[in-house]
Amino acid sequence: DVKVTQSSRYLVKRTGEKVFLECVQDMDHENMFWYRQDPGLGLRLIYFSYDVKMKEKGDIPEGYSVSREKKERFSLILESASTNQTSMYLCASSSLGEGAHEQYFGPGTRLTVT
Amino acid sequence: AQSVTQLDSQVPVFEEAPVELRCNYSSSVSVYLFWYVQYPNQGLQLLLKYLSGSTLVESINGFEAEFNKSQTSFHLRKPSVHISDTAEYFCAVSGVNRDDKIIFGKGTRLHILP
Repeated sequence: DVKVTQSSRYLVKRTGEKVFLECVQDMDHENMFWYRQDPGLGLRLIYFSYDVKMKEKGDIPEGYSVSREKKERFSLILESASTNQTSMYLCASSSLGEGAHEQYFGPGTRLTVT
Repeated sequence: AQSVTQLDSQVPVFEEAPVELRCNYSSSVSVYLFWYVQYPNQGLQLLLKYLSGSTLVESINGFEAEFNKSQTSFHLRKPSVHISDTAEYFCAVSGVNRDDKIIFGKGTRLHILP
């Protein structure tokens, strides 16, 4: 069964802290994505990666960075957390080729920055 | 570039009544279309998809959607809803090329009334 896991379901951090959100998939997928979800705004793409050590900016990359050292793991980093980064963060993965457009999502991490 | 509009942010409906969640998209190229569902405190799951072929697609839990190219719509319907259908529903569109990203609508929250 397809599985995407995220390191934490809930996280509370202080302003200025460095925050790591981890995502792991066990489907050998090439593509991985980070979104944030806010009420009334839907899902917005932060960063994505089509291969190991490769990353591309999404629609709202400011204040975030990512790391993909292994195929199965894609990390989202908030270098200096701010209150406007309080949100639900969703990780997703998809395969290359025919299944490229079907994304599998993790359960999400609800981050609160105080 | 593609975009997708979900016309209703919330839809209340009585249990066992029919429901339609509306989705319109804009694109200058061929598209794939998706409906994702997010149950409370969970990530998104693919509900159904249109890639090619029959314009009417169905899910295993009684939902269906019809691709209407002339009206650029992909509305989601169910003839009789259950309390377990309470969730947020996201329409999504992508181009058909491997590297085309998925664009999500802002979501429609389905409230089932007893």
